[in-house]
Amino acid sequence: DAGVIQSPRHEVTEMGQEVTLRCKPISGHDYLFWYRQTMMRGLELLIYFNNNVPIDDSGMPEDRFSAKMPNASFSTLKIQPSEPRDSAVYFCASSLYGSGNQPQHFGDGTRLSIL
Amino acid sequence: EDQVTQSPEALRLQEGESSSLNCSYTVSGLRGLFWYRQDPGKGPEFLFTLYSAGEEKEKERLKATLTKKESFLHITAPKPEDSATYLCAVRRSNFGNEKLTFGTGTRLTIIP
Repeated sequence: DAGVIQSPRHEVTEMGQEVTLRCKPISGHDYLFWYRQTMMRGLELLIYFNNNVPIDDSGMPEDRFSAKMPNASFSTLKIQPSEPRDSAVYFCASSLYGSGNQPQHFGDGTRLSIL
Repeated sequence: EDQVTQSPEALRLQEGESSSLNCSYTVSGLRGLFWYRQDPGKGPEFLFTLYSAGEEKEKERLKATLTKKESFLHITAPKPEDSATYLCAVRRSNFGNEKLTFGTGTRLTIIP
């Protein structure tokens, strides 16, 4: 089975440019999560969706960040304008809704460098 | 606010030398504690979920245990392929919450 697919794998751009990260969750999963990972702060949850609806966006650092999930198979995380401090690895994860504790399954991330 | 602290930050072991990684947590009502493995350039890979104090789970050379304040990941007779960063995360018990709070991980290196 295909796992969570993220694109691009690497992105290098200049400060001020718009950046769009993409994610395709595992088919049938109800939840989608966006995380950011840095050496200093580790993995931080930015936002998550349930059935395409944003549930908790309290981790979104500021208005420059936005996320959408137009359908069950696709989500984007956009940064506009980008700044050097946004440089990090961004992960997307998905999970199933269930009575038990369903684990989140992660993609391999997008390594973002803002010059 | 939920908190997860992992120790040590880094650990180097000789192949075959058993040890334990620690995950201390503070959460208002634990619904689940998760262990993940992360290889360089990859996303975290799920290993275990623990639900209640006293629970243990095993997978190959790894065994995870849980108390009311901490979890341990015991690695027995490790091999070089066990080298990775191991992450611990907690989920709070409030209804509808799917948020995980992660620790910063333990970077494990197994020397042949």
